[in-house]
Amino acid sequence: NAGVTQTPKFQVLKTGQSMTLQCAQDMNHNSMYWYRQDPGMGLRLIYYSASEGTTDKGEVPNGYNVSRLNKREFSLRLESAAPSQTSVYFCASSERRVWGSEKLFFGSGTQLSVL
Amino acid sequence: EDQVTQSPEALRLQEGESSSLNCSYTVSGLRGLFWYRQDPGKGPEFLFTLYSAGEEKEKERLKATLTKKESFLHITAPKPEDSATYLCAVLTGANNLFFGTGTRLTVIP
Repeated sequence: NAGVTQTPKFQVLKTGQSMTLQCAQDMNHNSMYWYRQDPGMGLRLIYYSASEGTTDKGEVPNGYNVSRLNKREFSLRLESAAPSQTSVYFCASSERRVWGSEKLFFGSGTQLSVL
Repeated sequence: EDQVTQSPEALRLQEGESSSLNCSYTVSGLRGLFWYRQDPGKGPEFLFTLYSAGEEKEKERLKATLTKKESFLHITAPKPEDSATYLCAVLTGANNLFFGTGTRLTVIP
């Protein structure tokens, strides 16, 4: 019973390098999300996908792109990493994006350092 | 401006010593308030959703309550396994979900 699986768990990049964070869920959820978590700040939404085939910007989308590959998978790409993108990244999913009844299921996170 | 504030930042309790965590909010049109638990190195895990003032939810040693300005997470007779960071999140009328910065709870045996 895997739930939400993220890879990699840790990554170190140099400024300007690119990388893709992978996320997959096995709960047949419609909606998926990418958050970042920084010390002293709450989780902040980067992008979300309300359903397969759709993606929308969240609170802090600059410097990121996403792809909803299929219903299971939602990837986050950093095209040119910057030190300000050093953070812990969480992928989450929910049955549907009907806010108010939202119960998010989170992965275990990717700790990213950009030097 | 929509805002969520959790207090205290950190709390140390002896095993069995009951206490409360606070989540105060100023948002336009609250549609829901959520509590999550986060263990070190893990993602948040859902605990409760509260929708209206006066509502209460319970799960084992935890009870969440909601007023028009704040929510409390009451922990009764905590055990060391209750040690974690507890996050609250509020859903605004504009369908934005804001997370607080959390309260880090340590329960000492």
